[in-house]
Amino acid sequence: DAGVIQSPRHEVTEMGQEVTLRCKPISGHNSLFWYRQTMMRGLELLIYFNNNVPIDDSGMPEDRFSAKMPNASFSTLKIQPSEPRDSAVYFCASSSRTSGSTDTQYFGPGTRLTVL
Amino acid sequence: GNSVTQMEGPVTLSEEAFLTINCTYTATGYPSLFWYVQYPGEGLQLLLKATKADDKGSNKGFEATYRKETTSFHLEKGSVQVSDSAVYFCALSDRQADKLIFGTGTRLQVFP
Repeated sequence: DAGVIQSPRHEVTEMGQEVTLRCKPISGHNSLFWYRQTMMRGLELLIYFNNNVPIDDSGMPEDRFSAKMPNASFSTLKIQPSEPRDSAVYFCASSSRTSGSTDTQYFGPGTRLTVL
Repeated sequence: GNSVTQMEGPVTLSEEAFLTINCTYTATGYPSLFWYVQYPGEGLQLLLKATKADDKGSNKGFEATYRKETTSFHLEKGSVQVSDSAVYFCALSDRQADKLIFGTGTRLQVFP
């Protein structure tokens, strides 16, 4: 099993540029989660999807952030325009949700974003 | 609402010392409880979990027991190794919202 795949692993960009982070969940998983991790704020849940539908995006910091899941095997997190305070490690995780339960989440290796 | 509280770090130990990292939770209903570990430069990995009261999760010498009466899920290991140096996260399942609630993480540093 390939696990959760994220790309790119590292991204360095300049303030104002658009950034797109990509995630491929584990095959057969139907829930997908985007997290952000910083030293100051720790691990934050940004948004999550069930069966490709966004369920809760209350953690998305502002309108500059958007996420999509066009199919069961692919999701993107976009920041436009990017700002230095967006610098963080962004993780994608997936799980197999069964009725009435929350199963184990499997995390990708993360994308380290640096906005100059 | 549901929440997880874990002890502040860093926890600094010598190799072969006994480890305890405290975790308490607040939740409605009967959540599952988890410990995740994050090694430097990597994503979080499931270390162990317990799904009901009095269950004991164990893996790689680590153990944690689901204590409903004290709402706790403390992580223990009898003899730590340098390779155990990492950040440890306690988490619970929020069944209504279908997501995990994570604690703030505890950094463990083990010296030879």
